[in-house]
Amino acid sequence: GENVEQHPSTLSVQEGDSAVIKCTYSDSASNYFPWYKQELGKGPQLIIDIRSNVGEKKDQRIAVTLNKTAKHFSLHITETQPEDSAVYFCAAKAPSTGNQFYFGTGTSLTVIP
Amino acid sequence: DTGVSQNPRHKITKRGQNVTFRCDPISEHNRLYWYRQTLGQGPEFLTYFQNEAQLEKSRLLSDRFSAERPKGSFSTLEIQRTEQGDSAMYLCASSLGGAFGEKLFFGSGTQLSVL
Repeated sequence: GENVEQHPSTLSVQEGDSAVIKCTYSDSASNYFPWYKQELGKGPQLIIDIRSNVGEKKDQRIAVTLNKTAKHFSLHITETQPEDSAVYFCAAKAPSTGNQFYFGTGTSLTVIP
Repeated sequence: DTGVSQNPRHKITKRGQNVTFRCDPISEHNRLYWYRQTLGQGPEFLTYFQNEAQLEKSRLLSDRFSAERPKGSFSTLEIQRTEQGDSAMYLCASSLGGAFGEKLFFGSGTQLSVL
């Protein structure tokens, strides 16, 4: 099955700086890569996603890049704000694994005011 | 539409007892998923429904776990003879599905503590 690795596990940045979270996946057939934000006591919330036919996608301060050859994808948050503090999860889905999403282990982001 | 709703939010039980959780998905969503999340880990797939049919079940899922979605709307997840290792957050998600990808919408989860 698919294996998704995520780094770093914790990340602290000053308010206004950028944050980058990286994930790698093992199944070259994976074709959909969402990112989720999870705040304390809440379920994960989809913040951005990318499909394998696209190399980059941007939504305001959030962007995701995908390198299919290297099998890695990254989340970029610019101009970070304290409300960006949360745990972020990457995920991958491959047709070969049916409808299962495989999640990374999460990155705890702290934005220091 | 208020999103995916899960009840109860918290459940404390003694080892050996049975527990049941409920999930109400977003009304027009035909796909429903159950995931389990332990501290410091990402969600782990348990099972998946399309309408009322349970189409996939994790090989890691013990026979003590059973899920239903009787009318293709709400779903229940039952754990029989609970063990301390069952302590986790149980998340429900729903989606419309799609040919290439799908957007999962998660509920706030049910936190289970087995004493």
